[in-house]
Amino acid sequence: DGGITQSPKYLFRKEGQNVTLSCEQNLNHDAMYWYRQDPGQGLRLIYYSQIVNDFQKGDIAEGYSVSREKKESFPLTVTSAQKNPTAFYLCASSKRGQGAYEQYFGPGTRLTVT
Amino acid sequence: KNEVEQSPQNLTAQEGEFITINCSYSVGISALHWLQQHPGGGIVSLFMLSSGKKKHGRLIATINIQEKHSSLHITASHPRDSAVYICASATGNQFYFGTGTSLTVIP
Repeated sequence: DGGITQSPKYLFRKEGQNVTLSCEQNLNHDAMYWYRQDPGQGLRLIYYSQIVNDFQKGDIAEGYSVSREKKESFPLTVTSAQKNPTAFYLCASSKRGQGAYEQYFGPGTRLTVT
Repeated sequence: KNEVEQSPQNLTAQEGEFITINCSYSVGISALHWLQQHPGGGIVSLFMLSSGKKKHGRLIATINIQEKHSSLHITASHPRDSAVYICASATGNQFYFGTGTSLTVIP
């Protein structure tokens, strides 16, 4: 079955540590996205990538980094510079990097930093 | 930046009721998306539309481009429809999301 996988589902880290969230898709989609969801707020875009080896900052990129070395994979690193990293992180993909294409979402990773 | 507003924020309905969720956005868009988020956090896409109306089962989505407004209707609501419904506007390469409408359908 085609889809998007994110791992792990729950992640706990100590403050000051970097952590990498995994996102893999087998839909052959060009575009991939990382969103952050906080209670009472809409999803906010962290980074997006329209093609391999290219990515763009979203509205809240500070304290995060990404790579897109393979079409299937778009890992997100939450660095120690991110002031409030505890949140629910969602990865998504679409056939092309334009809004006229449906987005497919992974199950999410809930990150807790103490 | 496209501001997206949804109403109501919370909605409780009796099973069988007709439900309407509204979404308004501030600037022109290439498409409007309706998403459903289940209690566990997973999100599925329900509709993508740029004009007119779409129907899938008991769900209907409409959009009025001139008024920058979209509605999601659920006919004959059922407890399994309980979820958060999210509206998202697509402008260029980016999506802007509403804060969601939390729907609870009581048997």
